[in-house]
Amino acid sequence: DAGVIQSPRHEVTEMGQEVTLRCKPISGHNSLFWYRQTMMRGLELLIYFNNNVPIDDSGMPEDRFSAKMPNASFSTLKIQPSEPRDSAVYFCASRQGQSNTEAFFGQGTRLTVV
Amino acid sequence: GNSVTQMEGPVTLSEEAFLTINCTYTATGYPSLFWYVQYPGEGLQLLLKATKADDKGSNKGFEATYRKETTSFHLEKGSVQVSDSAVYFCALSRVENNDMRFGAGTRLTVKP
Repeated sequence: DAGVIQSPRHEVTEMGQEVTLRCKPISGHNSLFWYRQTMMRGLELLIYFNNNVPIDDSGMPEDRFSAKMPNASFSTLKIQPSEPRDSAVYFCASRQGQSNTEAFFGQGTRLTVV
Repeated sequence: GNSVTQMEGPVTLSEEAFLTINCTYTATGYPSLFWYVQYPGEGLQLLLKATKADDKGSNKGFEATYRKETTSFHLEKGSVQVSDSAVYFCALSRVENNDMRFGAGTRLTVKP
């Protein structure tokens, strides 16, 4: 398996623009997580899905952020409108089974909002 | 709420020194505990885990023991190498809702 695939790897956009980050989890995995990594806040859990259903989105910073998982093989994280403080590395991770199993991470999307 | 607290970094050690990175957690029930490592420009990858009290996880010379009485999961290695330079994250996951939450990360630099 190719692992968790995120796209794009890098994104530079202007303030106010819509940004969509994409994630393809490992086939067969039933949980998917979105994280944001910054120097100031470390690795924050934004939202996670079990069996394509959002379970907890309390980590989503504002209404400008939204995430979907229309099927088991695809998820998106959208920011509209984007702001400079959204600049960070966004990671997607997936895992199979229960809470004692390993989560596999993608390589991340580095977002820069200017 | 459920959370993980790690010792603040950065940590700088000489090669062959002993490493300890402290991790304590707050959680209801009996979470599973993990250590992940992140090398520059990459995503996180699992280093070791423990799923119940008194379990010891180990990998690549690193060890951590799940201590429920002190709610801790400290990472140790007896002799670090330059190649161990990375950011280390402690994490917990609960069976009640299957989430996974991380500490802030500790950057380790090992000098020759």
